[in-house]
Amino acid sequence: DAKTTQPPSMDCAEGRAANLPCNHSTISGNEYVYWYRQIHSQGPQYIIHGLKNNETNEMASLIITEDRKSSTLILPHATLRDTAVYYCIVRVTQGAQKLVFGQGTRLTINP
Amino acid sequence: NAGVMQNPRHLVRRRGQEARLRCSPMKGHSHVYWYRQLPEEGLKFMVYLQKENIIDESGMPKERFSAEFPKEGPSILRIQQVVRGDSAAYFCASSPPGTALYEQYFGPGTRLTVT
Repeated sequence: DAKTTQPPSMDCAEGRAANLPCNHSTISGNEYVYWYRQIHSQGPQYIIHGLKNNETNEMASLIITEDRKSSTLILPHATLRDTAVYYCIVRVTQGAQKLVFGQGTRLTINP
Repeated sequence: NAGVMQNPRHLVRRRGQEARLRCSPMKGHSHVYWYRQLPEEGLKFMVYLQKENIIDESGMPKERFSAEFPKEGPSILRIQQVVRGDSAAYFCASSPPGTALYEQYFGPGTRLTVT
């Protein structure tokens, strides 16, 4: 699976949009971009995934650049409960199904 | 629809004892994954199982650790002769059968403390 690079930490004001970047410059054509988050001491929670088109669900939006070398997770109206470690994972669709977690971005939402 | 269940939530064992961690996947899910999170570290994949089969155990330590997912009942992660370095949070995840695209749903974890 391709390697991802994320900033170790970010801050965002409550009510504002939180934009979390992820670099995956070595991504290959059959690899999807997944986002998970881990709120303190809890099990990771799936957020969203995509291949090349932008995706949106009730939790977030995922913007993937045209060359697919980077992506941005957007939490449109961050709340204090969105404080968590966010993981960007590039995952091949065939073969091993394991998730390879990096260090992620520790997002802190400030009141 | 209940989520992934793990028990116990907290487990304390003395060095040399055995630890058994249980995971009940979501209803309809036939794929189970175990991950370990050491203190202040990221999540590491351990093993991927389907009913009665180990599919990928590339993350399992070579000794003392074993996992099973029987035809009936929960998946079990067993750690024999525990050592202090086994103290960690162990998370189980499950996904439906079929395409590898399905996301994994995680349980609340079992926190193992070895004294």
